[in-house]
Order: sequence, then C-alpha cells, then structure tokens
Amino acid sequence: DAGVTQSPTHLIKTRGQQVTLRCSPKSGHDTVSWYQQALGQGPQFIFQYYEEEERQRGNFPDRFSGHQFPNYSSELNVNALLLGDSALYLCASNTGRETQYFGPGTRLLVL
Amino acid sequence: RKEVEQDPGPFNVPEGATVAFNCTYSNSASQSFFWYRQDCRKEPKLLMSVYSSGNEDGRFTAQLNRASQYISLLIRDSKLSDSATYLCVVNSGSGNTGKLIFGQGTTLQVKP
Repeated sequence: DAGVTQSPTHLIKTRGQQVTLRCSPKSGHDTVSWYQQALGQGPQFIFQYYEEEERQRGNFPDRFSGHQFPNYSSELNVNALLLGDSALYLCASNTGRETQYFGPGTRLLVL
Repeated sequence: RKEVEQDPGPFNVPEGATVAFNCTYSNSASQSFFWYRQDCRKEPKLLMSVYSSGNEDGRFTAQLNRASQYISLLIRDSKLSDSATYLCVVNSGSGNTGKLIFGQGTTLQVKP
C-alpha cells in the first residue's frame, strides 16, 4: 500500500518564477493538507483540501494557491517566488477517522 | 506567543538514559494532541497520540494536562536510534479534521 507521494523531490527556481508541487494521498484518504517547513522550524499549515474545496487556510499570502482533483490528489502553486519561500513543502493526507500522514516532501530552493 | 512551544534543545544523553520533553499550547479549545518524530531531512512520522489518561507505547510515555495546557513525552532506556527531532503537535479542529499546529521541535542526540 503506497503511502503519500510527492513530486518533484527537489526543485530550484529563481525569484519571480512560479512553481507547482504535486501530491498523491495515501489510498483511502480524502483530505490533503499542505505545510511549509523552514530550516530549524516546525511545519506551518498552508491549507487543507477536502472534496475539491479549500476547507481551511493558514496565514499565507494569496501567492500560495492549491487544487484538489476528483481522485483526491492535489497541487500546490506558488507565484512570484521570493527567497523566503525556500523550504521543505510537505503534503499530508488523512480521513476523518485518523490523523495525518506525511509524504517525503519537496525541497524548494529559490535563488 | 507561539501556539505550541517547545524547548528546542539539543538534549544530549547517553544510551540507556531517561529523557523527558515538554511542550505547552495556547488554545484551550484544542481537541487532540500528538508527538511526531522527524529524522534529518525526512518527513514527520506519527510517534503516538496523547490522551488525558496518559498512554504508553513500549519505552515511550505521553501525558496530557488539559488544565495546564501541557504535554510531555518520556523516553526510557534511550537507544542510538532515538536520535531525532521530536515535534509536539496540536490539532485545532474536532476529530481529525483540523489543521495540525507544530512546535519548533526538540532535538535529541543519544550518544554511545
């Protein structure tokens, strides 16, 4: 049984560019959440998707947007990249009956 | 004030030692609580849920004090493989539907 998968594993972009990160939830999971983890910090909640709708959002600017597809997979888009967007981006999935399981993450470096 | 606060450490302990981590949370309406473990450059993995009655999983014991808004993790007989960052996590929603709020993490280094 595959767990949460994310792609790509690593990414290098320059300031001002746009990036799309992808996540496939664990089989049977219908909820996907995205987190940003800066070096030396705990993950910070970006937003959560359920039934293809954004259900909750953290304190992130509108440059961060997302989408959930009918097969429950999800994308995170970041526009107008800043140096401070360099981080590990984690996707987590769950159902209402269990807590969140994390994918391996995408390491984004903005130069 | 951060919503979940932990001492970042590092905690350097010899093999076989007992070590305790604490964290506090600010939202008294928080519903569920967890400890996650994160190895260097890897994703967080659920270590254990935390219940008011206290719960144990092998060498690991977790406690929750709702009145003091305080969560603890005790590791007995530390192993080299316990070296990692331990994240205190609070779920803001009901059941498992809310967002997870993480502490900064406490780094543990177990030495031979």
